Amino acid sequence: GDSVTQMEGPVTLSEEAFLTINCTYTATGYPSLFWYVQYPGEGLQLLLKATKADDKGSNKGFEATYRKETTSFHLEKGSVQVSDSAVYFCALGSGSGNTGKLIFGQGTTLQVKP
Amino acid sequence: EAEVAQSPRYKITEKSQAVAFWCDPISGHATLYWYRQILGQGPELLVQFQDESVVDDSQLPKDRFSAERLKGVDSTLKIQPAELGDSAMYLCASSLDRDSYGYTFGSGTRLTVV
Repeated sequence: GDSVTQMEGPVTLSEEAFLTINCTYTATGYPSLFWYVQYPGEGLQLLLKATKADDKGSNKGFEATYRKETTSFHLEKGSVQVSDSAVYFCALGSGSGNTGKLIFGQGTTLQVKP
Repeated sequence: EAEVAQSPRYKITEKSQAVAFWCDPISGHATLYWYRQILGQGPELLVQFQDESVVDDSQLPKDRFSAERLKGVDSTLKIQPAELGDSAMYLCASSLDRDSYGYTFGSGTRLTVV
């Protein structure tokens, strides 16, 4: 079945460092891909998305490119801030028709130190 | 900004007891989802409603879990009897329709079974 694999955390960076969180997926068809962020004690917020191959999603300085050939959707940010500390989830929309169901990776905790 | 409301925010219950969670989606959102997030893992879909109809409950443990959305608006998720392994965050989300994956998540109910 469809699945998402993320790099294990926690990822600890100093402020202004470059961030990469790896995400790969297995799916039938051509799913939409998403990154969600979860701050402590809160629900999930959509960070960015891409709906087809070679699309680049971007928001708040974060970017991710839908790579069909490598089945990847890695999250990047050029300069992280302390306020970016959170748990990041990669997800795919069920590929066999738009059912609305999201399949999530296990999450990657990011800790940014001043 | 419109929000998905969930209550209670936290719930502690003894095993074998019954527990219920409530969700009020954003007005006009036809699709409602209940996800379970075990600590350290990504959310997993339990049940999906389109208006008042269940469209996916394949991962719902039906021997103890039930969900309803009687008038196609708010929804209740029930567990009876609760087991220790049910300790998790229960997240509700809604979207206008299931094609766009335009989710809004609530803040969740943190359940602890003792």
